Amino acid sequence: QQQVKQSPQSLIVQKGGISIINCAYENTAFDYFPWYQQFPGKGPALLIAIRPDVSEKKEGRFTISFNKSAKQFSLHIMDSQPGDSATYFCAALSLDTGNQFYFGTGTSLTVIP
Amino acid sequence: ETGVTQSPTHLIKTRGQQVTLRCSSQSGHNTVSWYQQALGQGPQFIFQYYREEENGRGNFPPRFSGLQFPIYSSELNVNALELDDSALYLCASSLEYGNTIYFGEGSWLTVV
Repeated sequence: QQQVKQSPQSLIVQKGGISIINCAYENTAFDYFPWYQQFPGKGPALLIAIRPDVSEKKEGRFTISFNKSAKQFSLHIMDSQPGDSATYFCAALSLDTGNQFYFGTGTSLTVIP
Repeated sequence: ETGVTQSPTHLIKTRGQQVTLRCSSQSGHNTVSWYQQALGQGPQFIFQYYREEENGRGNFPPRFSGLQFPIYSSELNVNALELDDSALYLCASSLEYGNTIYFGEGSWLTVV
């Protein structure tokens, strides 16, 4: 059973547009939610992360929105650039157990110049 | 750069063989995790080591085993390789368990 459900599977956005990727979870024990960016042939790189005590976190062009009651969180990439073309993974962790990150299935983002 | 290095980067093995993958963690990180990433999928947790003891295991059979050594190094061993073991194997380290994990570039394993 997929602990973290991610959508869409793929996304095409024009340069300068907003890319939005969504994730949902069921386990209310999750309390740490990172996003990773992965380029072909590379390992995932941490992009931004949020804890459920805040509803939004922004770092540069990247924003996480978090809806605790709906058990959903999303990544917004503002002013999308061709260099943002990559696969994005959301993940979730319970800080109590602390050992296993659960990843979504990934979103392949293509930003068209 | 995450400071996590893995070797080898690519390797091809025959079904039934055994493989050892190695990882050097970031200095000061006493927790290392291993993940398997099949093509087109998200990483799946194999196990985690904290201060050289196994600290959690995912849904992987016992033929997947590991070790963590002092001075921030670790290895993943897979016995009796199967075709479905073909994947990218990722090592990730963190300061303590429950903290952000930082991935290496991975080892691509192809089983033929």
